[in-house]
Amino acid sequence: DIQMTQSPSTLSASIGDRVTITCRANQSISTWLAWYQQKPGKAPNLLISKASSLESGVPSRFSGSGSGTDFTLTISSLQPDDVATYYCQQYYIYSWGFGQGTKLEIK
Amino acid sequence: QVQLHESGPGLVKPSETLSLTCTVSGGSISGYYWSWIRQPPGKGLEWVGYVYYVGSANYNASLRSRATIAVDMSKNQFSLTLTSVTAADTAVYYCARERSHGSGRIYDYWGQGTLVSVAS
Repeated sequence: DIQMTQSPSTLSASIGDRVTITCRANQSISTWLAWYQQKPGKAPNLLISKASSLESGVPSRFSGSGSGTDFTLTISSLQPDDVATYYCQQYYIYSWGFGQGTKLEIK
Repeated sequence: QVQLHESGPGLVKPSETLSLTCTVSGGSISGYYWSWIRQPPGKGLEWVGYVYYVGSANYNASLRSRATIAVDMSKNQFSLTLTSVTAADTAVYYCARERSHGSGRIYDYWGQGTLVSVAS
């Protein structure tokens, strides 16, 4: 199985900050990577597919990049509504696996 | 708009069987893969298994001997049965739709989740 590792595990930032979350695969997955946002007490919500394609309705302050083994999720200007745990998921080789999550807090 | 809703008991005794149902509305179960994903309290997401609308299923290797996922197209539902549960099976259980993308699949619609506690 492909292992996905996210860093950091927890991130504290101020409103308006640029925030970057990293996801690393232990082998190349091309750009077959998705990002999900899970707000407290809620189900995960698909934000980005194919490493950089924003889903409909997702604010433009979110962006994704990367290919191969290294990927990033960036929030250009952190908003209070962005408090959540973020997960990456590879879908290059079955079985699709999630990273362990990055919890984003407001400083 | 596709909606998924999980239902089932919130408390199951150790060694007994956990049974959950996911009802799909606003769209057909036909043509898609449907998954169960669980999340132990305070932890990350763990894929349990999936079923294709025609009935073929696959499971997380760690649960394969205990899990069964089935589909009922007439009711637009799919279900999860997990036998011989222990406290380690305590989790929020989500049902989700898998959307094909390239040769892989991503989860584009999720239920709100249901907490199942295993305790005597």
